[in-house]
Amino acid sequence: DSGVTQTPKHLITATGQRVTLRCSPRSGDLSVYWYQQSLDQGLQFLIQYYNGEERAKGNILERFSAQQFPDLHSELNLSSLELGDSALYFCASSPTTGTDTQYFGPGTRLTVL
Amino acid sequence: QQPVQSPQAVILREGEDAVINCSSSKALYSVHWYRQKHGEAPVFLMILLKGGEQKGHEKISASFNEKKQQSSLYLTASQLSYSGTYFCGTEIVSGGSNYKLTFGKGTLLTVNP
Repeated sequence: DSGVTQTPKHLITATGQRVTLRCSPRSGDLSVYWYQQSLDQGLQFLIQYYNGEERAKGNILERFSAQQFPDLHSELNLSSLELGDSALYFCASSPTTGTDTQYFGPGTRLTVL
Repeated sequence: QQPVQSPQAVILREGEDAVINCSSSKALYSVHWYRQKHGEAPVFLMILLKGGEQKGHEKISASFNEKKQQSSLYLTASQLSYSGTYFCGTEIVSGGSNYKLTFGKGTLLTVNP
């Protein structure tokens, strides 16, 4: 158990819908990272927040957005969902914003029908 | 900028050794190694920093050749528990302060009795 929690564990929804994935980092960690993992694309970095502020952006679509709240939990919002958005979404946390160990949560499996 | 891992897959018998390579076309600041078992989250193994030494824990160690922009993960006397997909994540040298980890496509390691 990494100490990072993600909810929900599974999510099944339809195309065009909007969903919110939630992540609580390990106690004391200030950075939260979001990743998308699919069979054909592998593990793709989406976005990083540090202490409430966006720090780095990866291959995140405009239909996706994220935020980190004052209590340091983070939410990833996915809208206008497409079939290709079906994937495992991982959240990871680390103590700092620099080169640091990232502890991954168990992931949310999103299925878009 | 995605690092290239080789081999894509390797099958071992318990007790055999394996080497997994990770190469980048860009100058690297750090290399991170993770192992992911099927259906689970990636688990941190180690980080190698530019200018750092070879690292290891238990029978898993890694090296970082800055000139070749390459890292290698060494698994000696493999155990059944080593089975999984190994990912390298690379952080490239850049002028900015943004931190972004780019993962390779992974190497599937299977250890058989």
